[in-house]
Amino acid sequence: DAGITQSPRHKVTETGTPVTLRCHQTENHRYMYWYRQDPGHGLRLIHYSYGVKDTDKGEVSDGYSVSRSKTEDFLLTLESATSSQTSVYFCASSRGGGSYEQYFGPGTRLTVT
Amino acid sequence: GQQVMQIPQYQHVQEGEDFTTYCNSSTTLSNIQWYKQRPGGHPVFLIQLVKSGEVKKQKRLTFQFGEAKKNSSLHITATQTTDVGTYFCAGIGAGTALIFGKGTTLSVSS
Repeated sequence: DAGITQSPRHKVTETGTPVTLRCHQTENHRYMYWYRQDPGHGLRLIHYSYGVKDTDKGEVSDGYSVSRSKTEDFLLTLESATSSQTSVYFCASSRGGGSYEQYFGPGTRLTVT
Repeated sequence: GQQVMQIPQYQHVQEGEDFTTYCNSSTTLSNIQWYKQRPGGHPVFLIQLVKSGEVKKQKRLTFQFGEAKKNSSLHITATQTTDVGTYFCAGIGAGTALIFGKGTTLSVSS
């Protein structure tokens, strides 16, 4: 697997608090992605980045924002967490340039109480 | 919008039996990928198919891309307990983002 790490791996937070999840990759991949995984829904794309400071919305972007200031780091922020955002969040990266296979991080389990 | 459907949602087999999961897209795909996720783990890339009618094999796994590039299948011959997990297909249509199917969860009893 590509060198992709996520932090924290587990987090419990209260409704209304801001939360930031971090993804770090050491592969110099151009593209990075944030997904959420919920039972019965598979993997759903939240936001993705196609370069430093270049991001776009995915299927389920409401309530989430992202930032990418360096190639290796992609941050996902929940401005005001809600219980519906309780999920497992996966970060992924891909090289680009016609290579679309994605390499996933280990995931972050977020619980919003 | 583009949708990728996978069937069945769940499949239980006895060790040694064969297993097949099917993936269907509402639109033509430029390529299709397959991933495996073990229980408690993260999705791991298995293979990518790009050509109409393409067939690729990885040991006991056979992957196929339909002639119309709207469907795909994964067939496992003689399942083993190590095959347990959820298998996802994911396709690229008009854009560059992958659209994942909801996956097929395979359980194997010995």
